[in-house]
Amino acid sequence: QKEVEQDPGPLSVPEGAIVSLNCTYSNSAFQYFMWYRQYSRKGPELLMYTYSSGNKEDGRFTAQVDKSSKYISLFIRDSQPSDSATYLCAMSANDDYKLSFGAGTTVTVRA
Amino acid sequence: NAGVMQNPRHLVRRRGQEARLRCSPVKGHSHVYWYRQLPEEGLKFMVYLQKENIIDESGMPKERFSAEFPKEGPSILRIQQVVRGDSAAYFCASSPRGAVGETQYFGPGTRLLVL
Repeated sequence: QKEVEQDPGPLSVPEGAIVSLNCTYSNSAFQYFMWYRQYSRKGPELLMYTYSSGNKEDGRFTAQVDKSSKYISLFIRDSQPSDSATYLCAMSANDDYKLSFGAGTTVTVRA
Repeated sequence: NAGVMQNPRHLVRRRGQEARLRCSPVKGHSHVYWYRQLPEEGLKFMVYLQKENIIDESGMPKERFSAEFPKEGPSILRIQQVVRGDSAAYFCASSPRGAVGETQYFGPGTRLLVL
């Protein structure tokens, strides 16, 4: 079993739709949760960062962490074609700097 | 305001050759991390370095791979006697203090193709 599971998709939605992405994990020591966006042939770019459980909102993006279920989510409202990318979840433990990544979900927003 | 820089962006090597990948961190950052991304897989941690020190190389294959971050100059990931299975994207990240939970800023990656 992988430490971080993420459905690779691909996911295709019409412009304006809500995009829902999620990851599950097995390591209960994870405390820091991140979502990175990666455009084709580029490096990962930090999108959202959450510590422990709870919700965080930034513009059209909302990140949720449910540590009791070991489940994290990212929602993109009013999606735009420019949101078309691969979204990677990442996480790390309280005593570790190493990031553990999901495989990434490829999202296409159709104009 | 330059971010993490990596070069070359693309590297083609034949089996048995050496590959050298370079990473210049964000200005002022003295902590560097290398990750490898295989096709259809997430990034996997390889090694964490500070200037002149290897802090954690638990993700590095035991043979053929080495990394350094000298006092002056970029961090280098070196792969000797490359094999086809080494074909991947190699990403470098940096952070200012190396603290737990600190944001890591990624470079554009080097895509290595072994023929």
